[in-house]
Amino acid sequence: AQSVTQLGSHVSVSEGALVLLRCNYSSSVPPYLFWYVQYPNQGLQLLLKYTSAATLVKGINGFEAEFKKSETSFHLTKPSAHMSDAAEYFCAVSEDWNTDKLIFGTGTRLQVFP
Amino acid sequence: GAVVSQHPSRVICKSGTSVKIECRSLDFQATTMFWYRQFPKQSLMLMATSNEGSKATYEQGVEKDKFLINHASLTLSTLTVTSAHPEDSSFYICSAREAASPWDTQYFGPGTRLTVL
Repeated sequence: AQSVTQLGSHVSVSEGALVLLRCNYSSSVPPYLFWYVQYPNQGLQLLLKYTSAATLVKGINGFEAEFKKSETSFHLTKPSAHMSDAAEYFCAVSEDWNTDKLIFGTGTRLQVFP
Repeated sequence: GAVVSQHPSRVICKSGTSVKIECRSLDFQATTMFWYRQFPKQSLMLMATSNEGSKATYEQGVEKDKFLINHASLTLSTLTVTSAHPEDSSFYICSAREAASPWDTQYFGPGTRLTVL
């Protein structure tokens, strides 16, 4: 079965600093990978997704993620954090190319300090 | 962008009563809707998948007689927690997908916090 591991339940950065949120997956087949963001009192919003095209995926709000098969990783980065980036971030993997089930990580709460 | 709403956002009920949660896709037709449950400081766990006009497919360990799902139209799915007990207290989240492909985006509702006293 597929699984997702997000290292670090909390990440704190200063405004303007690099954001790095880690996600590792286990999969026996080529996966589809997703990053979602959840702002307080709002639903999850898709940041970006990898569906076996380019390994470097650019998303909304300046975020990007790189699929590294050799490391089974899909880390999320942003060069310069903004106060508005403070939120909960979830990494998810699709179980299979022809199934609906998304497996979510436990989430990483990003705090941005001025 | 696509918007999914949930109602109510919060509900408190007595043990033994039933609670219905609605999930609506506001600006698109959802061929598939999903219901998730999220425990504090834990990840979202898929409970069931429903296609319009069909019976829902439940994940292993989810009691279908306790969590009744109806997807009667392309814009509405409901989750009814029957005979709720305190252990059913949780954050319930729905999502909706317009197209049939698994890699197409799921749009999530804001969630419903259920507290059973």
